[in-house]
Amino acid sequence: QVQLQESGPGLVKPSETLSLTCAVSGYSISSGYYWGWIRQPPGKGLEWIGSIYHSGSTYYNPSLKSRVTISVDTSKNQFSLKLSSVTAADTAVYYCARVYMVRGGYYFDYWGQGTLVTVSS
Amino acid sequence: VMTQSPAFLSVTPGEKVTITCQASEGIGNYLYWYQQKPDQAPKLLIKYASQSISGVPSRFSGSGSGTDFTFTISSLEAEDAATYYCQQGNKHPSTFGPGTKVDIK
Repeated sequence: QVQLQESGPGLVKPSETLSLTCAVSGYSISSGYYWGWIRQPPGKGLEWIGSIYHSGSTYYNPSLKSRVTISVDTSKNQFSLKLSSVTAADTAVYYCARVYMVRGGYYFDYWGQGTLVTVSS
Repeated sequence: VMTQSPAFLSVTPGEKVTITCQASEGIGNYLYWYQQKPDQAPKLLIKYASQSISGVPSRFSGSGSGTDFTFTISSLEAEDAATYYCQQGNKHPSTFGPGTKVDIK
């Protein structure tokens, strides 16, 4: 059974960089699939942030692309998110997920439990 | 852009629930439905507009293609109280609908 677990600071100051890690168990990232990040501001809907393949190939949401970096560490079977220059608008629950991608489209079949990140001084 | 309607439903157990999702441009059948209960991660219910997911009760179904899609709960159970989201994975960036909150009367 594939399991994902997010970790990282729950509080980040404005203008600083948000950093989260997603540890994957039950499946080797090196075996395939894309792996992604999705966020959800309190009481609001879901926003895809970006995805990464084990080779390091990435796709980012254009609305966040200038501030986002997603990386992968296959030796630790985990992938990470960095979001720079954060503001209060970046306060959200951040989820990591496995991305089932085929030619034409993709969806998220396994999700972490999510971690709340608050941007505040 | 994905739109969903209605935004809110209050339904008696045993009743049928229908939610619609519309894409601003054609996405084929690359449309997925998720259920999210309070303080939980979304859970995939339907893939490729109408394909069932292993372990998901058969009362959940989907239909449609192109721009217009429908999600149905054939007979609502109390445990189905949740917010339901559609997601398109065909056009970049992938986007979710705003959600439909289903409440139990």
